[in-house]
Amino acid sequence: RKEVEQDPGPFNVPEGATVAFNCTYSNSASQSFFWYRQDCRKEPKLLMSVYSSGNEDGRFTAQLNRASQYISLLIRDSKLSDSATYLCVVNRPHASGGSYIPTFGRGTSLIVHP
Amino acid sequence: EPEVTQTPSHQVTQMGQEVILRCVPISNHLYFYWYRQILGQKVEFLVSFYNNEISEKSEIFDDQFSVERPDGSNFTLKIRSTKLEDSAMYFCASSEARGRRAISYEQYFGPGTRLTVT
Repeated sequence: RKEVEQDPGPFNVPEGATVAFNCTYSNSASQSFFWYRQDCRKEPKLLMSVYSSGNEDGRFTAQLNRASQYISLLIRDSKLSDSATYLCVVNRPHASGGSYIPTFGRGTSLIVHP
Repeated sequence: EPEVTQTPSHQVTQMGQEVILRCVPISNHLYFYWYRQILGQKVEFLVSFYNNEISEKSEIFDDQFSVERPDGSNFTLKIRSTKLEDSAMYFCASSEARGRRAISYEQYFGPGTRLTVT
């Protein structure tokens, strides 16, 4: 099982649609979870952290399910500018036990069309 | 808004040559990282750096790689003898962190250096 798995998509949705992405992780001792977005040939940009209680930032809602080891991102009222690749990041324990390694998923591509 | 900067934006080098990629992290950040992304693939962690020493490194970060903070602002990645497979985008990131194990902080990425090894 891959350390962090995402459905690569693409998700092709019309403007105004609601779209949800999931990300699963294999190491139950992982700490700290994030969603980033990455535009083509650009750097990842932080979208939001993901907390156990769930968190919302405008049209974006993130959830963490530790029991099932997945995180989700919900985008409401999609805009054309939301078109990007959405990266799930999980900090998993390093084999040495000393710290955590940020581990990226391959990303889910979103295309929002008029 | 403070941001991470990286130079150069594109570096072309011949196989076997040494390259140094430079980064200026956000000024009050204490934790620094290097990542690489081969075209079409996922972002891969290389190394983290805290308190003037390597905190963690991945299997990719072998003896040909080294990092340094030569002064109070720059953070560099050196690749000693480049191979064709080192061609990738290299991202530097930084985060505000308190304590060596506190990796729960959000990371801010620079625009990357595209390294092409010919």
